[in-house]
Amino acid sequence: ETGVTQTPRHLVMGMTNKKSLKCEQHLGHNAMYWYKQSAKKPLELMFVYSLEERVENNSVPSRFSPECPNSSHLFLHLHTLQPEDSALYLCASSQDRTGGRGGYTFGSGTRLTVV
Amino acid sequence: AQSVTQPDIHITVSEGASLELRCNYSYGATPYLFWYVQSPGQGLQLLLKYFSGDTLVQGIKGFEAEFKRSQSSFNLRKPSVHWSDAAEYFCAVLPNTGKLIFGQGTTLQVKP
Repeated sequence: ETGVTQTPRHLVMGMTNKKSLKCEQHLGHNAMYWYKQSAKKPLELMFVYSLEERVENNSVPSRFSPECPNSSHLFLHLHTLQPEDSALYLCASSQDRTGGRGGYTFGSGTRLTVV
Repeated sequence: AQSVTQPDIHITVSEGASLELRCNYSYGATPYLFWYVQSPGQGLQLLLKYFSGDTLVQGIKGFEAEFKRSQSSFNLRKPSVHWSDAAEYFCAVLPNTGKLIFGQGTTLQVKP
């Protein structure tokens, strides 16, 4: 148990489906992140939330829609995805948006397959 | 621009042999430095971190890393590798932007 929990662990969805990924942390952290990890590519930072406010969106397509209702929960809403969106989606949290001396704590990820 | 380079994409070592994974960073000041490990299908687990002080840091699972400012390096070492160490290893730097920057990763294979 890393302190950051992601559900579901695996998700298969069609291109017309709508689904959501959930991330939860009870570490008292104030910043949360979504990363995309594709095969043979570096980790890509998608979104950054600090105190429930989105502070960064790294040119992510609008078919990915994040939501941060409180400092403990982060969602990634998915709709009309493409097969190239298949990847491991990782959630992370940190003490604050500077990263703090603890760095980031990662969840186990959601393996997404778009068919 | 800030960057992290892990020169070795894939390394194979025999069980019981020593291991060194290389990491070089590009940053004007001394950043916070991290090593993470990722087992197949899992998230990233923090092995160790460096902020300041003693340049040799100890981590979990018997790993250690040495910060060398003159070489802008933060290499990861383990004296005797176990089969369970087979995984992907990521070096990362945290500059004052607060955005963690990762290297490409090094895949470690352990031969019996």
